[in-house]
Amino acid sequence: AQSVTQLGSHVSVSEGALVLLRCNYSSSVPPYLFWYVQYPNQGLQLLLKYTSAATLVKGINGFEAEFKKSETSFHLTKPSAHMSDAAEYFCAVSGTDKLIFGTGTRLQVFP
Amino acid sequence: ETGVTQTPRHLVMGMTNKKSLKCEQHLGHNAMYWYKQSAKKPLELMFVYNFKEQTENNSVPSRFSPECPNSSHLFLHLHTLQPEDSALYLCASSQELAGAPTDTQYFGPGTRLTVL
Repeated sequence: AQSVTQLGSHVSVSEGALVLLRCNYSSSVPPYLFWYVQYPNQGLQLLLKYTSAATLVKGINGFEAEFKKSETSFHLTKPSAHMSDAAEYFCAVSGTDKLIFGTGTRLQVFP
Repeated sequence: ETGVTQTPRHLVMGMTNKKSLKCEQHLGHNAMYWYKQSAKKPLELMFVYNFKEQTENNSVPSRFSPECPNSSHLFLHLHTLQPEDSALYLCASSQELAGAPTDTQYFGPGTRLTVL
């Protein structure tokens, strides 16, 4: 069965600092992995997805994630945080017939 | 309207009320979903429709009743809910049939439900 674990329910960074949100997955088959973002009072929006083409995936708003099979990880990064990045971020893995989401990481950005 | 819309955005209801949530997707997608989002829990998939046919019901209590009259509209009928049903209910749609592993789901803004 597939699952994802997001390490850290809250992450705080200063504006301009590196953003690192952690996601580890468990999958019995080659996984397809996603990062979604949820801004306040909105639904989830796809940031990026890994579909086995390239291990480094670039997404919207300057975010990227690297698939590391040896570490079963798919961490999300952004070199320089912006105030507008404050939101909740969800990692997800494609299961047999549905998406399986993590519990989310809330990112706070301080000026 | 574009994307996925949901109405109402906020709903307060008593335990004996009957209400309905509405979702509409303007993307020409083939699959639609209902999710429940509660604090500190992963998103819970409730129902899935492919081409307006229900394909999944994840052991959801019968007080939640979905309806999909066509591929663009999805309803969630609510009756005799419990306070623990208070949550954000999200609707989503996808181009491919549900289960396509690489397909992107597009979410609506959700309905914030409070059950008193």
